[in-house]
Amino acid sequence: DQQVKQNSPSLSVQEGRISILNCDYTNSMFDYFLWYKKYPAEGPTFLISISSIKDKNEDGRFTVFLNKSAKHLSLHIVPSQPGDSAVYFCAASAPYTGANSKLTFGKGITLSVRP
Amino acid sequence: GAGVSQSPRYKVAKRGQDVALRCDPISGHVSLFWYQQALGQGPEFLTYFQNEAQLDKSGLPSDRFFAERPEGSVSTLKIQRTQQEDSAVYLCASSLAGTGEETQYFGPGTRLLVL
Repeated sequence: DQQVKQNSPSLSVQEGRISILNCDYTNSMFDYFLWYKKYPAEGPTFLISISSIKDKNEDGRFTVFLNKSAKHLSLHIVPSQPGDSAVYFCAASAPYTGANSKLTFGKGITLSVRP
Repeated sequence: GAGVSQSPRYKVAKRGQDVALRCDPISGHVSLFWYQQALGQGPEFLTYFQNEAQLDKSGLPSDRFFAERPEGSVSTLKIQRTQQEDSAVYLCASSLAGTGEETQYFGPGTRLLVL
C-alpha cells in the first residue's frame, strides 16, 4: 500500500515555463514533507521541505505548497531550466510519532525540460 | 569528507554469495539510515541507527540482512546468501539528530546486481 503517491510518472515542459509536480499521501500522521532531486547514478539531493504547520515554502525558483486537508502537496519550479531535468521524489515523515524520522518516498516523477 | 560516501559503487554477486556494503556518513551526524531502491521505485526504509544503537530495523526484508555501526560512525550493511530479488540500489543517508524535522543527506548508493 503506497502511502506516498506520485501518480504521474513523467512530465515534459518547455524551458522558461512552470513545472508543477504533484504528490498525494494517505497517512494522516505525516507531518513533514521533503522533495529530493535525483540524477542518474547519483544519490537523491535535498531540494526543499515543508512542515505541516505551513502551507507554502519558497526557495528561489522552487516553491512547495501543502494542502493538509486534501493530503496533497506540489512542487512548482519557475522558470524551468534544462538542468532541472531529473527524477523528483516526494518524501514524508512522521517525526513526532515515533523514535526516528525515517522517510517514506513516492515512486518519483521524471521531469524533462525542453530547450 | 563533505558528504556521505558509499563503497563499492557497484557490486556484482553470484546467487548465494555474501556481500558487505559500506557507508561513511557526514562527520558529526548522529543518525544513519539505510534504504533500498528497486528499479522504477522510490527508496524504501531498511534500518536506522542513532550513534551505535540500531533503534529501528523494521524495514529489513529478511534475516539475511544485517547492519551494524559499531563505533557510531561508519556503517556496514551485510546481505547473506544473496538472492536475485536483492538486486537494487542501496542508499545510505545521515542526519544531525534523526528526530524532528530534519533533512537526510544521501550518499551515491551501491548498485547491487545478483546473478
